[in-house]
Amino acid sequence: GESVGLHLPTLSVQEGDNSIINCAYSNSASDYFIWYKQESGKGPQFIIDIRSNMDKRQGQRVTVLLNKTVKHLSLQIAATQPGDSAVYFCAESIRQGGKLIFGQGTELSVKP
Amino acid sequence: DSGVTQTPKHLITATGQRVTLRCSPRSGDLSVYWYQQSLDQGLQFLIQYYNGEERAKGNILERFSAQQFPDLHSELNLSSLELGDSALYFCASSVDFGETQYFGPGTRLLVL
Repeated sequence: GESVGLHLPTLSVQEGDNSIINCAYSNSASDYFIWYKQESGKGPQFIIDIRSNMDKRQGQRVTVLLNKTVKHLSLQIAATQPGDSAVYFCAESIRQGGKLIFGQGTELSVKP
Repeated sequence: DSGVTQTPKHLITATGQRVTLRCSPRSGDLSVYWYQQSLDQGLQFLIQYYNGEERAKGNILERFSAQQFPDLHSELNLSSLELGDSALYFCASSVDFGETQYFGPGTRLLVL
């Protein structure tokens, strides 16, 4: 069935390093992808999104890459900071449908 | 702060009881989504409303129901509660279906 999976459940990085969080999706009909950050006790916070007509999109310190050929999505965080420590979720949807299908999440831990 | 509000923040109740969770979307958003987050199932889509009408259904139990009112706030009703219903329940809203969803802080439900 439809699913979004993550390659790494946990990721530990040193402060100042770059982080890369990966995600695989299985529904070739998905045309909208989004990354959320969830801190303990809080709701998912929007980070960045990308539509299927793009391969790359950049935000502030974050970049999302989409490889439709292999159905792969990644989130790159530059100069990772302790405040970036959280669980990161990728999600996919078919734009006309609207509902998001979430991956399992990757916990990012930033060491000072 | 996403602009989505949810009440109550915490809810403790007993098996067999019924509870109502409330969500107010961001100003101007017409679409409301409900998600359940549990440790073993992750973030799961429950149901979506758009401008007062049900738009999509996910893995929502028959014991659960929702509605969106004319002022666009939404309520999720959970009845005949079971221990396994203990979870975080999130509401999200978007301007239109298929657009970026912004999540509220969630309601933590504990069924004893």
